[in-house]
Amino acid sequence: GAGVSQSPSNKVTEKGKDVELRCDPISGHTALYWYRQSLGQGLEFLIYFQGNSAPDKSGLPSDRFSAERTGGSVSTLTIQRTQQEDSAVYLCASSPVAGEQFFGPGTRLTVL
Amino acid sequence: GIQVEQSPPDLILQEGANSTLRCNFSDSVNNLQWFHQNPWGQLINLFYIPSGTKQNGRLSATTVATERYSLLYISSSQTTDSGVYFCAVGDPSNDYKLSFGAGTTVTVRA
Repeated sequence: GAGVSQSPSNKVTEKGKDVELRCDPISGHTALYWYRQSLGQGLEFLIYFQGNSAPDKSGLPSDRFSAERTGGSVSTLTIQRTQQEDSAVYLCASSPVAGEQFFGPGTRLTVL
Repeated sequence: GIQVEQSPPDLILQEGANSTLRCNFSDSVNNLQWFHQNPWGQLINLFYIPSGTKQNGRLSATTVATERYSLLYISSSQTTDSGVYFCAVGDPSNDYKLSFGAGTTVTVRA
């Protein structure tokens, strides 16, 4: 079966622009997660969805970051007014209600 | 939050050698996963192992939850085993929130 997919695979943007990153979880997985992998910070949790609701947004680094999930499936992570420190690989994962998480290939974001 | 320490940070192996990677964590956990990050950045699931022992081919893992550590064993290493190995544990209060160690970079030489 299909795994977690993410798009785009690479995104280069200019400082100050907004970007949207998309995640398609494994079919039937109700939980969805966003993580970020950067050189200085390693892999860090951003946000957790259970269905369409986000009970834990504690990892979002600033109010420029937001995420939504519709139809209990696709999720979009939006970064407004991008800064150079936002450059990182953004990883999405999904799981059944709880338990083992499966990761997508990531979106590499470069802010010039 | 929970602290995760992996050792060693780097490991260089000759093809065919065996190795052990260690993951120490600072609190009790209900969720522990081992991943291999390949050269393209993809995180490959190796084990979901909050406790006990599992084996999958040349790889096996053991988690001793009461002593707060997990071990990943690689036997008869191959060049394709090269990459970064991550241990990730779930926060005790919110076990869906994985905290990752810094990883062990494994290089297997032919």
